[in-house]
Amino acid sequence: QSALTQPASVSGSPGQSITISCTGTSSDVGGYNYVSWYQQHPGKAPKLMIYDVSNRPSGVSNRFSGSKSGNTASLTISGLQAEDEADYYCSSYTSSSTLRVFGGGTKLTVL
Amino acid sequence: EVQLVESGGGLVQPGGSLRLSCAASGFTFSSYSINWVRQAPGKGLEWVSYISSSSRTIYQADSVKGRFTISRDNGKNSLYLQMNSLRAEDTAVYYCARDRGGSYYDYWGQGTLVTVSS
Repeated sequence: QSALTQPASVSGSPGQSITISCTGTSSDVGGYNYVSWYQQHPGKAPKLMIYDVSNRPSGVSNRFSGSKSGNTASLTISGLQAEDEADYYCSSYTSSSTLRVFGGGTKLTVL
Repeated sequence: EVQLVESGGGLVQPGGSLRLSCAASGFTFSSYSINWVRQAPGKGLEWVSYISSSSRTIYQADSVKGRFTISRDNGKNSLYLQMNSLRAEDTAVYYCARDRGGSYYDYWGQGTLVTVSS
């Protein structure tokens, strides 16, 4: 069982917007602005999409945005494209001895 | 261009040992903390271990404490993971990932597969 809770799957049609949630506790998501999101296509390494809750690395489309409210962080993808179909993982710093925690991952299907 | 290239994976029997390596290039390796993150087949990501730039600070997941040892050689731009007493549940793709300020991983290697089976 992952430390952070994500929906197992979400789906949307091209052009639509979707949001993936990531729920933790006050010891991780709620306590620090150190939430990051990763995109992983099958057989590939994860790719950083969002860091420190809402910052986009250079080269990542501005269709990807992040936010946080309390113990829940969210990743929103607007203007869905076929290439966005992938698994998405959230991660947070945690005050526990594990240092870092991941969510269980969300499979995004573009219909 | 930042590159991280893992090697050393393979098939090993339960109770056996394996040493993974991660070769870094395209950045000043000695200035960055590095992590090992693994992914079991069909499963999610699991953080395994962290080592600071100077090797002074090391963290490990409870699931590998006492069995895995992370280390680095800044002179060789290399990161290592010594894995002992391997179990079937250690079967996974192991990634090295560059750490940024204790907050996120900005670059990942392509991964190396470790299979623990008799």
